[in-house]
Amino acid sequence: GENVEQHPSTLSVQEGDSAVIKCTYSDSASNYFPWYKQELGKRPQLIIDIRSNVGEKKDQRIAVTLNKTAKHFSLHITETQPEDSAVYFCAAIPTYSGAGSYQLTFGKGTKLSVIP
Amino acid sequence: NAGVTQTPKFQVLKTGQSMTLQCAQDMNHEYMSWYRQDPGMGLRLIHYSVGAGITDQGEVPNGYNVSRSTTEDFPLRLLSAAPSQTSVYFCASSDSQWVTEAFFGQGTRLTVV
Repeated sequence: GENVEQHPSTLSVQEGDSAVIKCTYSDSASNYFPWYKQELGKRPQLIIDIRSNVGEKKDQRIAVTLNKTAKHFSLHITETQPEDSAVYFCAAIPTYSGAGSYQLTFGKGTKLSVIP
Repeated sequence: NAGVTQTPKFQVLKTGQSMTLQCAQDMNHEYMSWYRQDPGMGLRLIHYSVGAGITDQGEVPNGYNVSRSTTEDFPLRLLSAAPSQTSVYFCASSDSQWVTEAFFGQGTRLTVV
């Protein structure tokens, strides 16, 4: 099955600085890579995703890059704000046409702290 | 529009007791999953279903059973609770036709003593 490694496990940045979280995956068949944000005591929520036919995707202050050859993808947050403080999870899922399988595999998470 | 609803939010069990965690979604999603979240371990898949009557095991299925008799409901049963099952449990659902956002329930914090 898929194995997703995520680094770092904790990250502290000053407000206004950038934050980068990196993930690697093992299954070359994976081609959908979402990122989830989980605030303390809340449920995970999707913040951005990328599919394998795209190398980069941006949404305001967040961006995700994908390198399929190297099997890694990264989350970039620019101009960080205190409300960005949360745990971030990367994930990967292989998509097989017509298959009855759905195994979204998560990384272990990165706790981001933005210091005012 | 309720999305994914889990009950209960909190539960304390004694070792050996059984219970069912409820999960319901109103988005007509085919795919539903159960995850457990432990500190430093991320979200680990317990069981999932790709439609009514179809279930399969995930990464950590031992000690749990599931069934999917309707599209809306996907209950998780703990057969004989153990302290190792102390965790936060999340149910999630997704649209089957396109791989897209997984919508999570609010979670159930379970403590087994």
